[in-house]
Amino acid sequence: AQTVTQSQPEMSVQEAETVTLSCTYDTSENNYYLFWYKQPPSRQMILVIRQEAYKQQNATENRFSVNFQKAAKSFSLKISDSQLGDTAMYFCAFMRGNAGNMLTFGGGTRLMVKP
Amino acid sequence: EAQVTQNPRYLITVTGKKLTVTCSQNMNHEYMSWYRQDPGLGLRQIYYSMNVEVTDKGDVPEGYKVSRKEKRNFPLILESPSPNQTSLYFCASSLGLAGAFTYNEQFFGPGTRLTVL
Repeated sequence: AQTVTQSQPEMSVQEAETVTLSCTYDTSENNYYLFWYKQPPSRQMILVIRQEAYKQQNATENRFSVNFQKAAKSFSLKISDSQLGDTAMYFCAFMRGNAGNMLTFGGGTRLMVKP
Repeated sequence: EAQVTQNPRYLITVTGKKLTVTCSQNMNHEYMSWYRQDPGLGLRQIYYSMNVEVTDKGDVPEGYKVSRKEKRNFPLILESPSPNQTSLYFCASSLGLAGAFTYNEQFFGPGTRLTVL
């Protein structure tokens, strides 16, 4: 079974600064996908960024980028130029390829962006 | 607008009183699933369905039932709710299953906050 661990329950960052959220996972699979989801106070689950395990290049979406270390089973999220609207709960998630669509989530990191 | 809808958004009930949370998607998605979210545990899958009349258990299916009679709807049924089912529930859907090198984004509903007294 897969497990996903987020070791930082809460973090804070000053507006305009950069913050990195950590995520580690455990799997014996070779084909899989990793995700970061954002959950603002509205509770909506919003996909922030996705990484395919077979791709060596780290994914980037505007101010959001990941550091994917496959051998270390690490998948951190970097948020640059933090904005007040980035305040939210962030979840790291794992999905096996070719084996259903179940997402396995970490426990979440609550991020507060301070003005 | 392409979306996943859930009803009700909030529900307070008492132990043992049967309830149904509805989920509907308008994107012609084959795959649908239910998750529950609890503090510190993230989201955990309850049940999923790969198509009409095809359902299967996720990681935490005890105390829940589902049905998939139509492609667009995937209701979650709690026949005898208990306080440990107090949680935030999400329905999700996607076009199809993820392959080794292909992926279909999962779309989440807005969530249903359930309290069982």
